[in-house]
Amino acid sequence: DAGVIQSPRHEVTEMGQEVTLRCKPISGHNSLFWYRQTMMRGLELLIYFNNNVPIDDSGMPEDRFSAKMPNASFSTLKIQPSEPRDSAVYFCASSRDTYNSPLHFGNGTRLTVT
Amino acid sequence: GESVGLHLPTLSVQEGDNSIINCAYSNSASDYFIWYKQESGKGPQFIIDIRSNMDKRQGQRVTVLLNKTVKHLSLQIAATQPGDSAVYFCAENTAYNNNDMRFGAGTRLTVKP
Repeated sequence: DAGVIQSPRHEVTEMGQEVTLRCKPISGHNSLFWYRQTMMRGLELLIYFNNNVPIDDSGMPEDRFSAKMPNASFSTLKIQPSEPRDSAVYFCASSRDTYNSPLHFGNGTRLTVT
Repeated sequence: GESVGLHLPTLSVQEGDNSIINCAYSNSASDYFIWYKQESGKGPQFIIDIRSNMDKRQGQRVTVLLNKTVKHLSLQIAATQPGDSAVYFCAENTAYNNNDMRFGAGTRLTVKP
């Protein structure tokens, strides 16, 4: 069982650049989540999808952030333009069901914006 | 200037002792609870879950207790090992929020050999 796969593991970019984070959920899971983790705010839900459809994006910080899920096996989180305050670890997670089902997390992408 | 961040509660135990990690939740409508373990450089890893129609559930070396009256959740780890050293998060979910899982701040467990 491959688990949730995220890429890249580390990303260092300059302020103003576009950043794209990628996620492959566990096969058969129909919900996908993007979280951000920082020392200041802990784990924050950014957006989640059910059956490839965005259900709740109220956690997305601002219009610079966008997420897509073109099919059941792939999702992207894009930041354009990036800013230093976006520096964090971004986690993707998937779950089998929409309710009463644990989330399975990838190992995250550590983003540093200089 | 001084940086301000989350102040993680910490728990330090001796190898072989039992550990108890506590979590208070605020939403009385929450009916599904999960404990996660996060090691350095990794994502949170599922440990055990419990639904609100139960007050205790046991796994391998772990037990979760749920007290809905006082909205309290605890994770007990028996015979704690150095590999148990990590940050532990509780998470809650409600049917109302349709799997919008909310995480606590976490507790850092350190196991001394």
